[in-house]
Amino acid sequence: GAVVSQHPSRVICKSGTSVKIECRSLDFQATTMFWYRQFPKKSLMLMATSNEGSKATYEQGVEKDKFLINHASLTLSTLTVTSAHPEDSSFYICSATPGRFSYGYTFGSGTRLTVV
Amino acid sequence: DAKTTQPTSMDCAEGRAANLPCNHSTISGNEYVYWYRQIHSQGPQYIIHGLKNNETNEMASLIITEDRKSSTLILPHATLRDTAVYYCIVRVDRNQGGKLIFGQGTELSVKP
Repeated sequence: GAVVSQHPSRVICKSGTSVKIECRSLDFQATTMFWYRQFPKKSLMLMATSNEGSKATYEQGVEKDKFLINHASLTLSTLTVTSAHPEDSSFYICSATPGRFSYGYTFGSGTRLTVV
Repeated sequence: DAKTTQPTSMDCAEGRAANLPCNHSTISGNEYVYWYRQIHSQGPQYIIHGLKNNETNEMASLIITEDRKSSTLILPHATLRDTAVYYCIVRVDRNQGGKLIFGQGTELSVKP
């Protein structure tokens, strides 16, 4: 079946630094990828939708300059948390689909970000 | 905003069927219902999806009411490993991006 690899699984960074999270579709071409964040005991909150080769579409309230998304190839999307603050600490999860006309959505295993 | 409503939590005895309800009264005619589950600190796992007809796969069955305003996910023989948060999701129309907006989910506890 479809596999999405997310890296790193855990990362600790200092306040003010930037951290990049990668999301790769291993056995299919992901025309569209989604980025979510999840706080403890809460549901997943969609942050943005990225389509290969175009700018990401951010959900209301998500700072696009804070959370930079790049989807330069059909198998890779990256989320960069810039100038990280402790309140950015969260569980970040990506999802990939071959396209909006596909029915399959595969999720990565998530990245636990801790900003100290 | 999520278009689904689910009970916050449910218990089920091991070996029995787990029936998880979901209300989606504002669903549109071409919007699909998806079910995912999430075990603590992991990414969501796909279970099943459907549009109008009932669906069954190796994991579960999905029963959708005729008016499509609600559905039920059935795990026929629950095991302890089925303990997880189950999310019922109405997929946004694909012409508007086809994204999955998660609701609060149901925390299912399977007990021995």
